[in-house]
This record gives sequence, C-alpha cells and structure tokens, in this order.
Amino acid sequence: DSGVTQTPKHLITATGQRVTLRCSPRSGDLSVYWYQQSLDQGLQFLIQYYNGEERAKGNILERFSAQQFPDLHSELNLSSLELGDSALYFCASSPQGGLPQHFGDGTRLSIL
Amino acid sequence: LAKTTQPISMDSYEGQEVNITCSHNNIATNDYITWYQQFPSQGPRFIIQGYKTKVTNEVASLFIPADRKSSTLSLPRVSLSDTAVYYCLVGDKGTTDSWGKLQFGSGTQVVVTP
Repeated sequence: DSGVTQTPKHLITATGQRVTLRCSPRSGDLSVYWYQQSLDQGLQFLIQYYNGEERAKGNILERFSAQQFPDLHSELNLSSLELGDSALYFCASSPQGGLPQHFGDGTRLSIL
Repeated sequence: LAKTTQPISMDSYEGQEVNITCSHNNIATNDYITWYQQFPSQGPRFIIQGYKTKVTNEVASLFIPADRKSSTLSLPRVSLSDTAVYYCLVGDKGTTDSWGKLQFGSGTQVVVTP
C-alpha cells in the first residue's frame, strides 16, 4: 500500500463531458504529481504541486486543470473530453518534491 | 535536463540475474538516480534510489560509476513475478524540479520465462 488514494477507480463518460479525479497523497507528503498513461504514449507527466502551489508543468492540455488544496489533496479536472483522453491517470506524492516516490493505483477513464 | 536512455526490452530465465543499464549523460550535481517498477494497469513502484557507488536493498542493487553518467539496476535471481517495465529517472530530492526530469521514458520491458 503506497498510501496514495485515488478516486474513483473507474470512470466511464461520454465525449464533451467534464470529470474530476481526486487524489489524497501519502500522509506527510507535500508534493503531488499527475501522470497520464495511455497504451500508445506511456507515462506522460502532466503537472506537479508542492504545498498548494504549482511547481512544474508538463504535457497538460489546456482542457485539463489541477489544483492542490490546503489539506494537500489534489484534483485533476478534465473538460470537453475526447476519445483520446481515455487513459489511466496516476497520482503520485513525495515528501518534499524532487522525483515522485509513491504512486496511487490510478483512475481508469473511458470515454465512449 | 537529465534525459535517460534505456534498452527497450530484456529477456531472462528464472533464477538468473538481470542487469539494466540507464544512461544519463547530463546528470547534474544534485541529481539522484531513481528506479521504478511497473506492472500492467498499476502505478509505478519505487524500487531503489542512489547518488553514487552502490546501493542495495531487499529488492535490488544499484551500481553507479564515479562519473555518474550511467547506472545499472541489478535484479538478483529473478522470478516470473519480476516481469514488468522498469524505469529510471534522474532528478534532485529538493524543490528545484523541472518537468523534463519528471517525464518517464519508455522504460525497459523485462520478461522472465521459466
């Protein structure tokens, strides 16, 4: 058990819709990372937060946004969903920053 | 940005030692080398981290030469359950992150057969 909790585990929705993925980091970890993994693109870094502030931004689309709240949990918002957004979305955390240490089990998003 | 290069795949038999080398020619002074293991449909799992020379834990060993431009993950006596994708990342432990260091490469698919 990594200590990182992601909800929901599965999400099925239609094109054009909006969804929110939630992540609770491991207790004591201040940094949260979001990754997208699809079959043809491997693990893609989306964004990192550290103690509520954006720290690094990767290949995150403008239709996607994220934030980290004062209690350190994070949410990834995906809007105007397209078929190509179907993927596993992983959240990770680390104590201070640097490289991610603990990964959650992911949210599997399926767009119909 | 410490871009990493790994072999795409490696095959092994049960009981053998598997060594995966990662090249990171642009590693910075403050960078650490971290290896992850990922099974299908699961999040990556942190295996081992090191800065120089050799690090060993209950799962693997990590060998880092003096110039630190490469590192080798060693999996002793692999079993079928070690079949997975292995990634190396290079970055610092602190707060000076950059998106390039947080980007996973293609990793190395290790297949262990009986």
